[in-house]
Amino acid sequence: AQSVTQPDIHITVSEGASLELRCNYSYGATPYLFWYVQSPGQGLQLLLKYFSGDTLVQGIKGFEAEFKRSQSSFNLRKPSVHWSDAAEYFCAVVLYTGGFKTIFGAGTRLFVKA
Amino acid sequence: DADVTQTPRNRITKTGKRIMLECSQTKGHDRMYWYRQDPGLGLRLIYYSFDVKDINKGEISDGYSVSRQAQAKFSLSLESAIPNQTALYFCATALPNNEQFFGPGTRLTVL
Repeated sequence: AQSVTQPDIHITVSEGASLELRCNYSYGATPYLFWYVQSPGQGLQLLLKYFSGDTLVQGIKGFEAEFKRSQSSFNLRKPSVHWSDAAEYFCAVVLYTGGFKTIFGAGTRLFVKA
Repeated sequence: DADVTQTPRNRITKTGKRIMLECSQTKGHDRMYWYRQDPGLGLRLIYYSFDVKDINKGEISDGYSVSRQAQAKFSLSLESAIPNQTALYFCATALPNNEQFFGPGTRLTVL
């Protein structure tokens, strides 16, 4: 069965430190890949997306993600975290199974300490 | 103005009551979705619609119904609310590649 796994339920990093959030998927082909961010009390906002081509994609707010086909992963990174990055982050994959279907991971909550 | 709006933003109701959550969008997208979010479970799809005449069940449609009144409007109804429907509900629109645009959410509490 297709699935999306975000292994870390929550992560705490110090402001200014680097960040990596993990995402793995289970699917036979290469899906479309997305990262969304949800700030408290708000809906989800797209950070970045991968459809094809260059496996390192840049997004908003200084985030980037790298698609690794061999590891079925699409990890999100930021070199220097700001306090305003504290939020919940969702990885999502779009599969084609007769029609497009989106599967979301369970989310990783990021805490930023001063 | 927000591209995807949801009303109400918060609602407290009692078991057995009928509840309607409304969603409007100004993005001009044909695809609209309703999700519920529960802690630790991510987003789960309730219903989706690819145009006014197209309604499809998602993975957790039991206990819910929807109405697509126009391209811009997609409503979610709970015919007889129960406590385990307490959750955060999101409406979203999407491009053909499934890139999604979310509303701010409705927090529903069923007592």
